Amino acid sequence: NAGVTQTPKFQVLKTGQSMTLQCAQDMNHEYMSWYRQDPGMGLRLIHYSVGAGITDQGEVPNGYNVSRSTTEDFPLRLLSAAPSQTSVYFCASSLWKNHQETQYFGPGTRLLVL
Amino acid sequence: KQEVTQIPAALSVPEGENLVLNCSFTDSAIYNLQWFRQDPGKGLTSLLLIQSSQREQTSGRLNASLDKSSGRSTLYIAASQPGDSATYLCAVPRGGNQFYFGTGTSLTVIP
Repeated sequence: NAGVTQTPKFQVLKTGQSMTLQCAQDMNHEYMSWYRQDPGMGLRLIHYSVGAGITDQGEVPNGYNVSRSTTEDFPLRLLSAAPSQTSVYFCASSLWKNHQETQYFGPGTRLLVL
Repeated sequence: KQEVTQIPAALSVPEGENLVLNCSFTDSAIYNLQWFRQDPGKGLTSLLLIQSSQREQTSGRLNASLDKSSGRSTLYIAASQPGDSATYLCAVPRGGNQFYFGTGTSLTVIP
């Protein structure tokens, strides 16, 4: 298994540009989520999904959209990038059994918005 | 809202020492608590998951404890090695499918 994969590894955007961060997992996990990691603030949940067709907002959802058309993929979209979205983004997945399962993380995408 | 705190933010120890990392949380209504390791520029790797009904979980030189009533968890690392140098994070899930992370403890083990 490849586990959780993320592309790209690094991206530079100009303010106002849009882009999609890709996330895929091959472990047939129901639960997938996106976090951003900023210095001194830890990881904060952006959006999550408990299965195909089901998404919900996390702690910091503004400026981000998600969709879950398949079990494997959970892309994160930035419609109009802002410098405040400069961060490291992590995708995670787990089986969904009443929170009893380990989360698996991707390697991250480093995003710089100028 | 759940608040998860990890103290100290950074720790430096000589090789071979035993050490304890701390994690505290404000809402004791948790299902479990996980400890993760993060190497520089990398993603997170799960180390231990303690269910709410457990008090301890062990994996090799690592031992994690959970005291829900006091809102605390500790990660004990025995006989530390330079390869243990990394940032260690704790995380708790809560109702509403939310997961909260601490800000982590950066550990340096000096050869």
